[in-house]
Amino acid sequence: EVQLLESGGDLVQPGGSLRLSCAASGFTFRNNAMHWVRQAPGKGLEWVSAITGSGGRTYYADSVKGRFTISRDNSRNTLYLQMNTLGADDTALYYCARDPGVTGIYYFDYWGQGNLVTVSS
Amino acid sequence: SYVLAQPPSVSVAPGQTARITCGGNSIGSKSVHWYQEKPGQAPVLVVYDDSDRPSGIPERFSGSNSGNTATLTISRVEAGDEADYYCQVWDSSSDHVVFGGGTKLTVL
Repeated sequence: EVQLLESGGDLVQPGGSLRLSCAASGFTFRNNAMHWVRQAPGKGLEWVSAITGSGGRTYYADSVKGRFTISRDNSRNTLYLQMNTLGADDTALYYCARDPGVTGIYYFDYWGQGNLVTVSS
Repeated sequence: SYVLAQPPSVSVAPGQTARITCGGNSIGSKSVHWYQEKPGQAPVLVVYDDSDRPSGIPERFSGSNSGNTATLTISRVEAGDEADYYCQVWDSSSDHVVFGGGTKLTVL
């Protein structure tokens, strides 16, 4: 059974940093691209970032490019999102999601339960 | 950047057919995917590659895509289908995943 478990969400002050993790199990982690998707309170889904199975290519939404860094450790079956210079607009539930592709980006066939990041003073 | 437009809300009586549209420039040339999100739960993939269903998704859920509009069709709507529905594409020109704004399906 595919499982994705996010962690690392917290209350952080504006301008601060946070690192999210997503522990994957139930599939061969390196064989799938992975994504972060977020949802602000009462808002729709917003794609944040993606990384190919090998980690060789990364993609970012314009709203986070230059502030967020996606990475993965295939030996630990773990996906990461390093978030810097956080602002109130980054407050959201952050989902880790699996892509059925390895090198291409397609869609999300499995989702974690989400991890809350709150940016507030 | 590529934009997907969905109606904010759709209402339908139980047993009837719900159609949720997703508009985008030449969307017919892209693969469209659809997600169902219920309150307090993670989104669930209900249709991928325009019209394919993941295992476990009822045949009542179907999709189509042509021209500038993709459509998610839910036949014989049930109360349990009440949820937010999102369309999604990969825009290769910008290397971005794009979501529609979401449609709230209300079962009357």
